[in-house]
Amino acid sequence: SQTIHQWPATLVQPVGSPLSLECTVEGTSNPNLYWYRQAAGRGLQLLFYSVGIGQISSEVPQNLSASRPQDRQFILSSKKLLLSDSGFYLCAWSGVEQYFGPGTRLTVT
Amino acid sequence: AQSVSQHNHHVILSEAASLELGCNYSYGGTVNLFWYVQYPGQHLQLLLKYFSGDPLVKGIKGFEAEFIKSKFSFNLRKPSVQWSDTAEYFCAVNANPSGSARQLTFGSGTQLTVLP
Repeated sequence: SQTIHQWPATLVQPVGSPLSLECTVEGTSNPNLYWYRQAAGRGLQLLFYSVGIGQISSEVPQNLSASRPQDRQFILSSKKLLLSDSGFYLCAWSGVEQYFGPGTRLTVT
Repeated sequence: AQSVSQHNHHVILSEAASLELGCNYSYGGTVNLFWYVQYPGQHLQLLLKYFSGDPLVKGIKGFEAEFIKSKFSFNLRKPSVQWSDTAEYFCAVNANPSGSARQLTFGSGTQLTVLP
């Protein structure tokens, strides 16, 4: 069966520091991969998606970037974090429907 | 702009009450529709989905939803809620089902609290 992992589970970072969140999927090949940010009362905002290695589409211009160095690996990064980057970040993969990881709670101080 | 609206932000019900959560979308063409649920401390998980066919779809845990194309709606229902249904519920739409990206647009979510 398919499994999706995200780490770290929680992260506290100072403003201006770099960020790297990792997502990996097991049990499937060539999945579509997605990064979302979930904010209270605002639902899930799609940040990036990827239909293949090295293929990244950005939905919202911002301080973040994404990369897909391997088929089942999706990374969310930032060179310098802002306070507004705080939030709950979810990775998902899709077959016919989307399946979500456990998420990373990021607090920028 | 294309959007998904969930007008009920927080719903509070007593056990055994009936539930209906509204979801409206603004896309005019063929869509795939989903309801996801997030129980406290758990992953977001699929509750039910509509792709085509019978507009009344049944999901897990006694939930169902009805797709009404003329109203651009996909409301979630349950005849009798339980305390364990306390969770946040998200409606989502794929406005390009034939595309390879399969992007979803989510509503803002509805927090359901069921009182014992």
